[in-house]
Amino acid sequence: DSGVTQTPKHLITATGQRVTLRCSPRSGDLSVYWYQQSLDQGLQFLIQYYNGEERAKGNILERFSAQQFPDLHSELNLSSLELGDSALYFCASSQRGTEGTEAFFGQGTRLTVV
Amino acid sequence: AQSVAQPEDQVNVAEGNPLTVKCTYSVSGNPYLFWYVQYPNRGLQFLLKYITGDNLVKGSYGFEAEFNKSQTSFHLKKPSALVSDSALYFCAVRGPTDSWGKLQFGAGTQVVVTP
Repeated sequence: DSGVTQTPKHLITATGQRVTLRCSPRSGDLSVYWYQQSLDQGLQFLIQYYNGEERAKGNILERFSAQQFPDLHSELNLSSLELGDSALYFCASSQRGTEGTEAFFGQGTRLTVV
Repeated sequence: AQSVAQPEDQVNVAEGNPLTVKCTYSVSGNPYLFWYVQYPNRGLQFLLKYITGDNLVKGSYGFEAEFNKSQTSFHLKKPSALVSDSALYFCAVRGPTDSWGKLQFGAGTQVVVTP
């Protein structure tokens, strides 16, 4: 168990809908990262937050947004969902987010858009 | 731009034999290198990292990796593979001044260990 908790584990929704994925980082970790894993794209970095502030942005669509709350949990919001958004979404956390710190991953949320 | 390559989609090895998973990288400056493993329907688990120092890095579950600067490689090794080592392995790299968000993951190598 990595200590990173993601909910829900599975999500099935229809095209055009909006969903929210939730992540609780390991105790003491200030940085949270979101990744998307799909068969054709591999593991893609979406966005990073550090202590409530956006720190880095990757291949995140405009239909997607995220935030990190004062208690350090994070939510990833996906809207106007398309079939191609079906993927495994991972949250990871680390103490800081720079230098050589490794990140610890949650078990992921499997999103299926039908 | 930094990149990482895992040249083998799949590695097959018999239980008890040595296991090697290859990784080569390209990055400006000295690299930070990581290995992660993913079991079915699970998240990525950290195995080991190279930041600086000894070229041979020891990690979890008996794995180790050798950093070779001249060959820009960071191959993962295990002297004696177990069936339970069957999983998807990811190599990742970023530059020393990059934030975690710049970490580049390889495409992954599926390891299959047969009894």
